[in-house]
Amino acid sequence: DQQVKQNSPSLSVQEGRISILNCDYTNSMFDYFLWYKKYPAEGPTFLISISSIKDKNEDGRFTVFLNKSAKHLSLHIVPSQPGDSAVYFCAASAMSGGSNYKLTFGKGTLLTVNP
Amino acid sequence: KAGVTQTPRYLIKTRGQQVTLSCSPISGHRSVSWYQQTPGQGLQFLFEYFSETQRNKGNFPGRFSGRQFSNSRSEMNVSTLELGDSALYLCASSPEGPWENEFFGPGTRLTVL
Repeated sequence: DQQVKQNSPSLSVQEGRISILNCDYTNSMFDYFLWYKKYPAEGPTFLISISSIKDKNEDGRFTVFLNKSAKHLSLHIVPSQPGDSAVYFCAASAMSGGSNYKLTFGKGTLLTVNP
Repeated sequence: KAGVTQTPRYLIKTRGQQVTLSCSPISGHRSVSWYQQTPGQGLQFLFEYFSETQRNKGNFPGRFSGRQFSNSRSEMNVSTLELGDSALYLCASSPEGPWENEFFGPGTRLTVL
C-alpha cells in the first residue's frame, strides 16, 4: 500500500515558467511533509518542508502548499531554471503522538526544465 | 566543512553473506539516517540514530541493523544477504534530526549476486 503517491513520473516545463509537482497521501496521521531533490549519481538534497499547522511555506523560488482536507501537497518552482532539472521526492511522516517517526517517500517525479 | 562520507562506494557480495556499511556525518551533526534506494521501491527510510540510540525505524526486517558510535559515525549491517538487497544505500546527517536540514552522502552501491 503506497501511502505517499506522486502520480506523475515526469514533468517537462519551459525555462522561466512555473513547475508544479504534486503529491498525494492516504495516511491521515501524517503531519509533516518534506520535498527532496535528487540529481543523477548524487544523494537527495533536502529542499523544503511543511508541517500540518501551516498551509504554505516559501523559500525563495520554492513554495510548498498543503491541502489537508484533500490530503494533497504541491511544490511550486517559480521561475523554473534548467538547473532545477532533477528527480523530486515527496516524503511524509507522523511527527506527533509516538516516538517512531517513520519517513515514507513517494516514488519521485522527474522534472526537466527546457532552455 | 567536509560533507557526509560513506565507505565503501561500491560493494559486491553473494547471497547469504553479511555486509557492513560505514557513514561519517558532517562534524557536529548528531543525527544519522539510513535509506535504501531501488528502482522498484524508490527511496525508503531504514532507521535513524541520535546520540548512539536508534530513535526511528522504518519497515525493514531484522536483518537490517545499525549502530552509532560516540563520535556520531554510524554503521549499517545487513545479514544473510538476499538478491533483493541490491540497492544504493544512502546515509544522511543533520544537526538534531530527524530529516530536516539533512545532508546526504554519495551512497554505497551494493550488488548481491
